[in-house]
Amino acid sequence: EDQVTQSPEALRLQEGESSSLNCSYTVSGLRGLFWYRQDPGKGPEFLFTLYSAGEEKEKERLKATLTKKESFLHITAPKPEDSATYLCAVQAGGYGQNFVFGPGTRLSVLP
Amino acid sequence: NAGVTQTPKFQVLKTGQSMTLQCAQDMNHNSMYWYRQDPGMGLRLIYYSASEGTTDKGEVPNGYNVSRLNKREFSLRLESAAPSQTSVYFCASRGGFSSYNEQFFGPGTRLTVL
Repeated sequence: EDQVTQSPEALRLQEGESSSLNCSYTVSGLRGLFWYRQDPGKGPEFLFTLYSAGEEKEKERLKATLTKKESFLHITAPKPEDSATYLCAVQAGGYGQNFVFGPGTRLSVLP
Repeated sequence: NAGVTQTPKFQVLKTGQSMTLQCAQDMNHNSMYWYRQDPGMGLRLIYYSASEGTTDKGEVPNGYNVSRLNKREFSLRLESAAPSQTSVYFCASRGGFSSYNEQFFGPGTRLTVL
């Protein structure tokens, strides 16, 4: 069974305090791993797609990396506006529309 | 360019009532999806439509029906609402069939069933 877990469930950081969020997955044939940001009361907003182990993507203070079993979202010198829930999703093989989401990590960045 | 729109934003139903959630996208995307999001759980796929004229069940389809009205619109119907269907519902769309293509989400419908 395809499964995605995320840790920690919640994370509080001081502004400027760098950290990493983890996404672990077990899927039958990974076709893509996606990171989204979700603000309270809104729909998820796309951040990155990773396809193969060793791949890295960067956007402002965020950097996503991928191994064969997990992905990390590194946040460098976060600001309060980075506070949100970060969702990880995998697209598994098979019929190709099977997107499995993790429960998310709720990030709070304090000024 | 509105992206993905959903109506209504909020809805309260009594057990046994029916309703339809509407979703539309203006990005000319082939695929559309309905998810539900519950506290502590990830988004779970209810139904999807890979292209106009086709629909398929996802992980949690029981109690729901869908209609892909045309390429733009994908509706979700609850025939007889139950308290277990209290959730936030998100519609999403996706262009093309490449593994690299991300989903675009609507703002959600918050549904409470009493």
